Amino acid sequence: KNEVEQSPQNLTAQEGEFITINCSYSVGISALHWLQQHPGGGIVSLFMLSSGKKKHGRLIATINIQEKHSSLHITASHPRDSAVYICAVSGNQFYFGTGTSLTVIP
Amino acid sequence: DTAVSQTPKYLVTQMGNDKSIKCEQNLGHDTMYWYKQDSKKFLKIMFSYNNKELIINETVPNRFSPKSPDKAHLNLHINSLELGDSAVYFCASSRRVAGPVKAGLDTQYFGPGTRLTVL
Repeated sequence: KNEVEQSPQNLTAQEGEFITINCSYSVGISALHWLQQHPGGGIVSLFMLSSGKKKHGRLIATINIQEKHSSLHITASHPRDSAVYICAVSGNQFYFGTGTSLTVIP
Repeated sequence: DTAVSQTPKYLVTQMGNDKSIKCEQNLGHDTMYWYKQDSKKFLKIMFSYNNKELIINETVPNRFSPKSPDKAHLNLHINSLELGDSAVYFCASSRRVAGPVKAGLDTQYFGPGTRLTVL
């Protein structure tokens, strides 16, 4: 069993929909990261958080340390949001989720 | 200017060869990383250096050796390449976090990746 589990694995949405991607982890962490990998392969760090909630534009990330769970929300989704979203946790070691492939249809 | 750059972008080579991938960051960061992304797109950390000092060395074959000539560079040398080494290798960097050195406790900036194909 992977230390970091993401759901769903694949997600297709209509433009404008509200999207939620979930991440659960089973190890102690110091920080949780949400990464975005574009179809071209490049990786961008979206958020790093250790508690509470962070917002950047239409993206919101939350974490519940007690429940070992994080969510990434995308409001008013757009085709350019189509990418793979990867959850990763860091502490004494690094662990990555297997990613959620998001396709937003116009 | 590119923040984290890697060369080459593509590398095709024969089994048994020795090759290097170079990484440079111009962000003034102290910590640099190497990741491997396999054919199933699963990312895994390989190494992390903080100010030229190795701080993370995951279970990676001895054929892989990172070299950090200065804190802006972290090169990856691979000896005796095998078919299973085919993957995309990403370099990344982040600021050092005050206090005990723990990699990954700051936002990471990724290079564009190097696609290695071993024939």
